[in-house]
Amino acid sequence: SYELTQPLSVSVALGQTASITCQGDNIRSKNVQWYQQKPGQAPALVIYKDTNRPSGIPERFSGSNSGNTATLTISRAQAGDESDYYCQVWDSSTVIFGAGTKLTVL
Amino acid sequence: QVQLQESGPGLVRPSETLSLTCTISGGSVGSYYWYWIRQPPGKGLEWIGYIYYTGSTNYNPSLKSRVSISLDTSKNQFSLKLNSVAAADTAVYYCARDALKYGHNWVDPWGQGTLVTVSS
Repeated sequence: SYELTQPLSVSVALGQTASITCQGDNIRSKNVQWYQQKPGQAPALVIYKDTNRPSGIPERFSGSNSGNTATLTISRAQAGDESDYYCQVWDSSTVIFGAGTKLTVL
Repeated sequence: QVQLQESGPGLVRPSETLSLTCTISGGSVGSYYWYWIRQPPGKGLEWIGYIYYTGSTNYNPSLKSRVSISLDTSKNQFSLKLNSVAAADTAVYYCARDALKYGHNWVDPWGQGTLVTVSS
């Protein structure tokens, strides 16, 4: 079965840029979504189809997908960005989530 | 704007059946995929399964033998049944919808989630 690998945690200084990776076999051939989850809340979509932001998501959030790695980049990190982030793809008509990355803003 | 709300018992005994319902408001079953996703305390997201508006279903292979998802278009609801539950099934259960009609796209919107604890 297809697997997605994310780092357990990523730290970023306030105002700097954070990159969260999601690795999977030839992931570039798939559409990757990213979800942000704050404590006690349901996940919320921040990136869909690799690079697209839903309405209401700041331009500071961007995505890329190449080779075996998809990346969520958060520019000018703010304290409110501190959350868990999950990548997601479809594979053989099943939904696959990464294990999640905890972003800490220092 | 469509909203989803999970409902059902918050406590289920081991070996019994977990039953949850998701009520759809502000929209209809339409031509979408409808999902159940769960999250054990302190852990990541796990896809349970989905049902298409036609009634076709697909389940996570790790749960397939115990899970069933059904749709009630007259009530604008869909439901989850998970049988023979154990402590490992304790989780927040989310219902959700695919963002677009007629295909597998991305999960949006989500319900707020409901915690189900399996304990005697």
